[in-house]
Amino acid sequence: QVTLKESGPGILQPSQTLSLTCTFSGFSLSTYGMGVGWIRQPSGKGLEWLANIWWDDDKYYNPSLKNRLTISKDTSNNQAFLKITNVDTADTATYYCARIELGADYWGQGVMVTVSS
Amino acid sequence: DIQMTQSPSFLSASVGDRVTINCKASQNINKYLNWYQQKLGEAPKRLIYNTNSLQTGIPSRFSGSGSGTDYTLTISSLQPEDVATYFCQQYNSWLTFGSGTKLEIK
Repeated sequence: QVTLKESGPGILQPSQTLSLTCTFSGFSLSTYGMGVGWIRQPSGKGLEWLANIWWDDDKYYNPSLKNRLTISKDTSNNQAFLKITNVDTADTATYYCARIELGADYWGQGVMVTVSS
Repeated sequence: DIQMTQSPSFLSASVGDRVTINCKASQNINKYLNWYQQKLGEAPKRLIYNTNSLQTGIPSRFSGSGSGTDYTLTISSLQPEDVATYFCQQYNSWLTFGSGTKLEIK
């Protein structure tokens, strides 16, 4: 059974760095072809893909946010991470991680992040 | 970037109705198209992958079709538990999403 769960700070201030963790089970990021991605959704709005990381440590970023994003993984502990630098109120959203196989097949429940001074 | 235009944004239908939701891509996405259902407060659940393949455990009243730039999700007989927001996702080039269709029961 594939499960994913996101964790994060809940609230942070503008200009800070947002650090998110995705802890998953039921698959391994050392398996050929496997990937994990991050996607966010502001309240009442649509979904925006942020970044993917693959089994071979290849990384891909949304070009509109690329300069602010860093994705990484800890294969031995079944975790993936996302950092977003210099956040502002526009980064307030629910952040999801998902297993990437033929698009995003399994998603976590999401973690709400609020950027507020 | 590939843009996904989804319609309608809101849909009200009766139990038992046949319902269709459409997504149009800004370029050919080679059938790399998924459909998701998202109920209030829940994570998205994939219903259909590769345009027309039914995810395991999803009722057969859900089906997908399309090619090139035009894709459709069909619910053959709407059930009360189908109340949700539905959205499409292309994965021909990274991931982009449709804006969603909110489905309610009349």
